[in-house]
Amino acid sequence: DAGVIQSPRHEVTEMGQEVTLRCKPISGHNSLFWYRQTMMRGLELLIYFNNNVPIDDSGMPEDRFSAKMPNASFSTLKIQPSEPRDSAVYFCASGVRGSVGELFFGEGSRLTVL
Amino acid sequence: GDSVTQMEGPVTLSEEAFLTINCTYTATGYPSLFWYVQYPGEGLQLLLKATKADDKGSNKGFEATYRKETTSFHLEKGSVQVSDSAVYFCALSYEGGSEKLVFGKGTKLTVNP
Repeated sequence: DAGVIQSPRHEVTEMGQEVTLRCKPISGHNSLFWYRQTMMRGLELLIYFNNNVPIDDSGMPEDRFSAKMPNASFSTLKIQPSEPRDSAVYFCASGVRGSVGELFFGEGSRLTVL
Repeated sequence: GDSVTQMEGPVTLSEEAFLTINCTYTATGYPSLFWYVQYPGEGLQLLLKATKADDKGSNKGFEATYRKETTSFHLEKGSVQVSDSAVYFCALSYEGGSEKLVFGKGTKLTVNP
């Protein structure tokens, strides 16, 4: 059974460019989470969805960040315009609502903004 | 707000040594507690969990006991292997609540042969 699939695995872009990160959750999972990992701040929750509906986006750093989940099998995290301080590894994780804390993580998308 | 504090790393051990990684938490309610592991270049994986006080979670030789009186959930393993080299994250979440996982900053473990 396929796990959480993220793309791209690596992205290098220049400041000011738009970045789109993609996630395919595990089939049958109905919760989806976007986390950001940096050395300084560790793992930060950006946003999460239940049944494709955004529940809590209080972790989204600013208006440059947006996330969508148009259907149960796909989500995107967009940064526009990107800045060097956005450089991080972005993880998508999915789970079954009610299975508290039991998340399945993708391998992450490493973003470098020059 | 809720938070998780882990011991600073990195931790370097020889194979077959005993491992302890300390974790304490601050919570407004009664959370479930978790340990996740991240191997190099991979995403996080759930290692073990405990949902109430005095519960012991265990998996792959690792174990941790939910201690409400000391608000702790220390990770232990009696004999580490080179393959245990990874970053370990302590986390908490609430049943019936927001379902968010709040993570500690992680502790990097290196096991030498």
